[in-house]
Amino acid sequence: GAGVSQSPRYKVAKRGQDVALRCDPISGHVSLFWYQQALGQGPEFLTYFQNEAQLDKSGLPSDRFFAERPEGSVSTLKIQRTQQEDSAVYLCASSSPGARYEQYFGPGTRLTVT
Amino acid sequence: GNSVTQMEGPVTLSEEAFLTINCTYTATGYPSLFWYVQYPGEGLQLLLKATKADDKGSNKGFEATYRKETTSFHLEKGSVQVSDSAVYFCALVAGGTSYGKLTFGQGTILTVHP
Repeated sequence: GAGVSQSPRYKVAKRGQDVALRCDPISGHVSLFWYQQALGQGPEFLTYFQNEAQLDKSGLPSDRFFAERPEGSVSTLKIQRTQQEDSAVYLCASSSPGARYEQYFGPGTRLTVT
Repeated sequence: GNSVTQMEGPVTLSEEAFLTINCTYTATGYPSLFWYVQYPGEGLQLLLKATKADDKGSNKGFEATYRKETTSFHLEKGSVQVSDSAVYFCALVAGGTSYGKLTFGQGTILTVHP
């Protein structure tokens, strides 16, 4: 079946603009994760959903970052008033209840803030 | 806190050479350990995992053994191929975590020449 998809794949935003990044997880996957990957670094955890419940948002760097998954499937990561330090690849991953440690990653959205 | 340290890259090898990428970790409890791989233009993929001490994870000719006494999970392959060129990430999920919140190392770029 289809893997995790993310859109857009590339986003250029002017500093101060709001952006919304979308993630479509694998059908039936209860768990959904967002990670931020700066250039040349490993991904860093942002937030975790189990179905529609956001159970861990400890990695969100500021209150400008907001994530939602209202129906327990598609998720959106929103960044308000973007700053240059927000430039990174944003990765979405999902996993099934039977293999909660095995995450399937999407291709990522590369955000560049100018 | 939890952290993962990987050997500095990039690593450049000739085809059929032996590969080792070192990984050490700091974590609370008994973590589960992973190697993820990112091929050019593709998303992160789980390569192998080990969930308890002395377990050996293996896949596609790659192996790694969970060494609690040295807090290490080094990745090895006996004979690399050009198609193994990719970025490799060591990662962990802390013990006692009910969901797969991954902590990644910084990644090691591997280039294999014919």
